[in-house]
Amino acid sequence: GEQVEQLPSILRVQEGSSASINCSYEDSASNYFPWYKQEPGENPKLIIDIRSNMERKQIQELIVLLDKKAKRFSLHITDTQPGDSAMYFCAASASRRNYNQGKLIFGQGTKLSIKP
Amino acid sequence: AQTIHQWPVAEIKAVGSPLSLGCTIKGKSSPNLYWYWQATGGTLQQLFYSITVGQVESVVQLNLSASRPKDDQFILSTEKLLLSHSGFYLCAWRGQGWAETLYFGSGTRLTVL
Repeated sequence: GEQVEQLPSILRVQEGSSASINCSYEDSASNYFPWYKQEPGENPKLIIDIRSNMERKQIQELIVLLDKKAKRFSLHITDTQPGDSAMYFCAASASRRNYNQGKLIFGQGTKLSIKP
Repeated sequence: AQTIHQWPVAEIKAVGSPLSLGCTIKGKSSPNLYWYWQATGGTLQQLFYSITVGQVESVVQLNLSASRPKDDQFILSTEKLLLSHSGFYLCAWRGQGWAETLYFGSGTRLTVL
């Protein structure tokens, strides 16, 4: 299959605390996992990605973890700020698609709200 | 640096009317181009992709069509809009090499009444 499941769909956290979003994928050959942030009315923007040769990647307050055995990956935002409020989408590459079609399968999205 | 421009920014159209949305990418020769659709609050659904001028592949049948008249231009159109066509249309191009990163344009918000 090519599905990517993303949970939770809605997440509310207190400012300054951490937020975690979890995704699981079906295609064991998936090897690329990007995360996109989309603010209201805007286009999705890449914020961090991880490849299958890594288990952890951090860019400032963003941490991505990848568990290939469990076919799960997750985004953790530490010390959340009001500007982190947005929709977040995970995606996984799909090996069964042809190269030109582009290989990303997107999760359903998580609406993150940071409470002041 | 590559830039991707979509037009119009927003459209309000009547059911049954025609539609044409455009996308131009600069700074990248022979890009792979994509059209995505996003329902309000929904995920990103790939509609079409194109690897070269004059060649377009359909991924999902939504009574829409796409064309690539120039290397840097991608057009999405239909002759008769449906209510279900409302949503956010995003043009995108893909990065080089092993990474499959998609870069999205600013999008067109379509409301069909």
